[in-house]
Amino acid sequence: AQTVTQSQPEMSVQEAETVTLSCTYDTSESNYYLFWYKQPPSRQMILVIRQEAYKQQNATENRFSVNFQKAAKSFSLKISDSQLGDTAMYFCALGFGNEELTFGTGTRLTIIP
Amino acid sequence: DAGVIQSPRHEVTEMGQEVTLRCKPISGHNSLFWYRQTMMRGLELLIYFNNNVPIDDSGMPEDRFSAKMPNASFSTLKIQPSEPRDSAVYFCASSLRQLHEQYFGPGTRLTVT
Repeated sequence: AQTVTQSQPEMSVQEAETVTLSCTYDTSESNYYLFWYKQPPSRQMILVIRQEAYKQQNATENRFSVNFQKAAKSFSLKISDSQLGDTAMYFCALGFGNEELTFGTGTRLTIIP
Repeated sequence: DAGVIQSPRHEVTEMGQEVTLRCKPISGHNSLFWYRQTMMRGLELLIYFNNNVPIDDSGMPEDRFSAKMPNASFSTLKIQPSEPRDSAVYFCASSLRQLHEQYFGPGTRLTVT
């Protein structure tokens, strides 16, 4: 069975600062994918960034980047120059090919003006 | 692309009534997923289809829940009879095998009184 753990239920940071959200996972598979999804108050689930387990290079999407530590089974999300629009729930997810995702419990992030 | 389309966006019904949720996946995607989100249980997979065929329905709570995908562009999730504990946000997501990531619809907020 696969598990995803997000140990920070809530976080807050001042606007323009950098924040890092933690995620650890467990799987016996060697080929998998990791994702961060954002869910703002509108409740829409938005894909933020993805990482293939076979790639050593950390994924980056504009202000969002990940720190993927495969041996430690850690997948943290860094948000640089945080903006008010980044306020949302953030979910870490683990997936295999075209199958279902296993989600963490989420981190509620609040950006303070 | 219009993204994943779900209807209705909100549904309020009385206990015992039949509820049908609808989903149109992104054109060309070959997998479709139904998730349920509640405060208590977070995001949980109910069922997913690959090329219109149900692959894993182990997450369907009980016989009151059923899902169909008659063609590549349409799926339904039906609850009959509905109960107050079915109140949740139901998400539909679709993916393309080559991309591995899932794209979510806006969700249907179901309230059963």
